[in-house]
Amino acid sequence: GQNIDQPTEMTATEGAIVQINCTYQTSGFNGLFWYQQHAGEAPTFLSYNVLDGLEEKGRFSSFLSRSKGYSYLLLKELQMKDSASYLCAVIEGSYQLTFGKGTKLSVIP
Amino acid sequence: IAGITQAPTSQILAAGRRMTLRCTQDMRHNAMYWYRQDLGLGLRLIHYSNTAGTTGKGEVPDGYSVSRANTDDFPLTLASAVPSQTSVYFCASSDSDSGHINEQFFGPGTRLTVL
Repeated sequence: GQNIDQPTEMTATEGAIVQINCTYQTSGFNGLFWYQQHAGEAPTFLSYNVLDGLEEKGRFSSFLSRSKGYSYLLLKELQMKDSASYLCAVIEGSYQLTFGKGTKLSVIP
Repeated sequence: IAGITQAPTSQILAAGRRMTLRCTQDMRHNAMYWYRQDLGLGLRLIHYSNTAGTTGKGEVPDGYSVSRANTDDFPLTLASAVPSQTSVYFCASSDSDSGHINEQFFGPGTRLTVL
């Protein structure tokens, strides 16, 4: 089984940088995903890490440390439209993802 | 059709009734999934199918059944609905063949209320 922890809520200011952390415990690891979910909508894919290090994609970056069971999602130059829930998910073994409970990010002016 | 579609968008159902939630994808993905999302509990896997003709149980399978007669369709059935099955249901699919990262694509969701 897996245990995935991430903060329940965060607030940040427009234009700032925010880091959303995710820790996990798993007996086998085949990759970690970050998804974005706006209220009332479906989750959409943001990033994927399987090796240690930083993956950058525009304003969003994701970091993974497999030895520490730790990942973070970094959002730069925050915009109001970034207000959403951010879901950390780990794939263990085969195809199934196990999701954390999500972090609700509120971006304020 | 583009991507994944789900039907109905929302439904109010009397307890004890049978209900089938429909899910169709046109991406020829081999793997499909059903999740429920509840406030404070996040997304939880109900059932999955790695390929047409096979299904498996996820974290919360009780009270639900699925079938996968072909690649495109993956219906979820509640045989006798109970109020605790009130939730938002998401269908997803992924291409899990070698060389792909197995990113899951989600449908728009079905909001189900059981009274």
